[in-house]
Amino acid sequence: EDKVVQSPLSLVVHEGDTVTLNCSYEVTNFRSLLWYKQEKKAPTFLFMLTSSGIEKKSGRLSSILDKKELFSILNITATQTGDSAVYLCAVEAGPMEYGNKLVFGAGTILRVKS
Amino acid sequence: DAGITQSPRHKVTETGTPVTLRCHQTENHRYMYWYRQDPGHGLRLIHYSYGVKDTDKGEVSDGYSVSRSKTEDFLLTLESATSSQTSVYFCAIRGQNTDTQYFGPGTRLTVL
Repeated sequence: EDKVVQSPLSLVVHEGDTVTLNCSYEVTNFRSLLWYKQEKKAPTFLFMLTSSGIEKKSGRLSSILDKKELFSILNITATQTGDSAVYLCAVEAGPMEYGNKLVFGAGTILRVKS
Repeated sequence: DAGITQSPRHKVTETGTPVTLRCHQTENHRYMYWYRQDPGHGLRLIHYSYGVKDTDKGEVSDGYSVSRSKTEDFLLTLESATSSQTSVYFCAIRGQNTDTQYFGPGTRLTVL
């Protein structure tokens, strides 16, 4: 059974802190790993990673994938209150013939205090 | 927002009644998906479609059916709603030439 596990489930930090969110997975036919941010509405896409060891970066957010150890991390530096959200990790697995299927983790709830 | 709308956005219904949720997209995407989101479970795939009249089950398909009679609309039907189907339902499309899925605004369904 395909499985994606995120940790921690929740955390509270102060503005300016750096946070690291973890995502580990066990899936058949791994194709890619995606990170989404969700703020009380629809998830919004952050990153897609397909290759090991290559960092994706967007502003204060960055992510890297380790396909050997089957995990990914999402880093947020100099956190701001606007970073407060649920961060979802999803893994695309299985055959592509009929469209990709994403398996989601339960999410990490991040709260940034001012 | 990838041109995705969902209707209704909120619905309260009673156990045993049929409910249909609509997902509409304006960009001619081939692949469409229905997910439900519940606390502690993240998003779970209910059904998906890979073309007009082509659909398949996801991991939590029991109690749900879908139909796609034209490219732009993907309907999710609860034939006889149960309280366990109280959830937030998201529709998603797969972007053109990409593996990334983009989500609609969601429908909050409450079954009393």
